[in-house]
Amino acid sequence: QLQESGPGLVKPSETLSLTCSVSGPSVSTSGYYWAWIRQPPGKGLEWIGKIYYSGMTYYNPSLKSRGTISIDMSKNQISLNLRSVTAADTAIYFCARQQDYYDSTGYYRADFDYWGRGTLVTVSS
Amino acid sequence: EIVLTQSPGTLSLSPGERVTISCRTSQSVNIYLAWYQHRPGQAPRLLIYGASSRASGIPDRFSGNGSGTDFTLTISRLEPEDFAVFYCQQYGTSPYTFGQGTKLEIK
Repeated sequence: QLQESGPGLVKPSETLSLTCSVSGPSVSTSGYYWAWIRQPPGKGLEWIGKIYYSGMTYYNPSLKSRGTISIDMSKNQISLNLRSVTAADTAIYFCARQQDYYDSTGYYRADFDYWGRGTLVTVSS
Repeated sequence: EIVLTQSPGTLSLSPGERVTISCRTSQSVNIYLAWYQHRPGQAPRLLIYGASSRASGIPDRFSGNGSGTDFTLTISRLEPEDFAVFYCQQYGTSPYTFGQGTKLEIK
């Protein structure tokens, strides 16, 4: 199971900080990334970025380098920091496990097989 | 980035009916497409990966098809628990992108 947590309200220009606690699978298992995805009200899903247990990260360029994802293997958690937030960052934030391997047919998998329920973050003064 | 367009936006159907949802990508993603079901307040659930492979535990009434730029998700006989929002997602090219969703509601 994945459980997101963090403040539900953040002021504009401040930093949004969220944690995803993972129970069951270990975040240090090879073959999987751990990702953040968000959904603004009334809009579709947007991939924010992902992290491997080695610390390697990839981000969506749409964030314009405002995001940082980190991993804490001792706590089996991943975290998201999003700097300089605006109202456009208001969204439900999900964490998810993202596959990263070639299956038995030789095709690559990068789908999301486990998700949290999400946490709503509102950016407002 | 690759844009995914789902159709229709909303469907009103009854249990027992058959439904097909379409997802079109702005450029080829080979078979690197997944489908998810999202019920309000719950975690999204992976249904299909690799365009047509069912994820673990997914009933065989769910099926996926397609390659390149055109994909479909079919539910052969709707069960009451199937009514939700469905999303397609491509993982052929980063950044990974999702469709805008198709809401399946009970008629």
